[in-house]
Amino acid sequence: KNQVEQSPQSLIILEGKNCTLQCNYTVSPFSNLRWYKQDTGRGPVSLTIMTFSENTKSNGRYTATLDADTKQSSLHITASQLSDSASYICVVSANNAGNMLTFGGGTRLMVKP
Amino acid sequence: NAGVMQNPRHLVRRRGQEARLRCSPMKGHSHVYWYRQLPEEGLKFMVYLQKENIIDESGMPKERFSAEFPKEGPSILRIQQVVRGDSAAYFCASSPIPGQGISSNQPQHFGDGTRLSIL
Repeated sequence: KNQVEQSPQSLIILEGKNCTLQCNYTVSPFSNLRWYKQDTGRGPVSLTIMTFSENTKSNGRYTATLDADTKQSSLHITASQLSDSASYICVVSANNAGNMLTFGGGTRLMVKP
Repeated sequence: NAGVMQNPRHLVRRRGQEARLRCSPMKGHSHVYWYRQLPEEGLKFMVYLQKENIIDESGMPKERFSAEFPKEGPSILRIQQVVRGDSAAYFCASSPIPGQGISSNQPQHFGDGTRLSIL
């Protein structure tokens, strides 16, 4: 069964600090992994997308890493801002016909002043 | 999220009524996906449609739920005889080419969802 597990479920950090969110998956065969940011009351917005051959990808203060061997990914947020408060969702796509995206449960990040 | 338009943003229905949720994909996108997000849970895939075709409805409940994406107009997710358990946020996403196929790494673009509340 394809699964995506994220940790921690929730996280509180102070403004300006860094943090790292984790994603473990069992989706097979793997196609790509995406990180989305979902603000409260809004739809998810894509941050990064990585294929099997990519180990890291950055988008501003967001850096995603991928270890396809251990089936783990992380999202590192540098110099956090209050606007980073949101849910961060790891989504994995399987490489087969009729595949669908498997969503993690998300990490709720709160950045406090 | 500009581009994928969902309406209404909020919908309140009484048990037994019908709910119709609309999604207009981004311009040029012919693939639409519907997801459901229960409170405090992640998004769950429901159905994948192209114009006039249902490609994958493996995530749709067998009864009361239906979806269409006509040649003209928005995609519609229809829930008949709603029950309290249908209360959730329903998100639509669109892609220019199959976002869930092996040929694409295009990120799906999401709308801001319709929050359905059943009284």
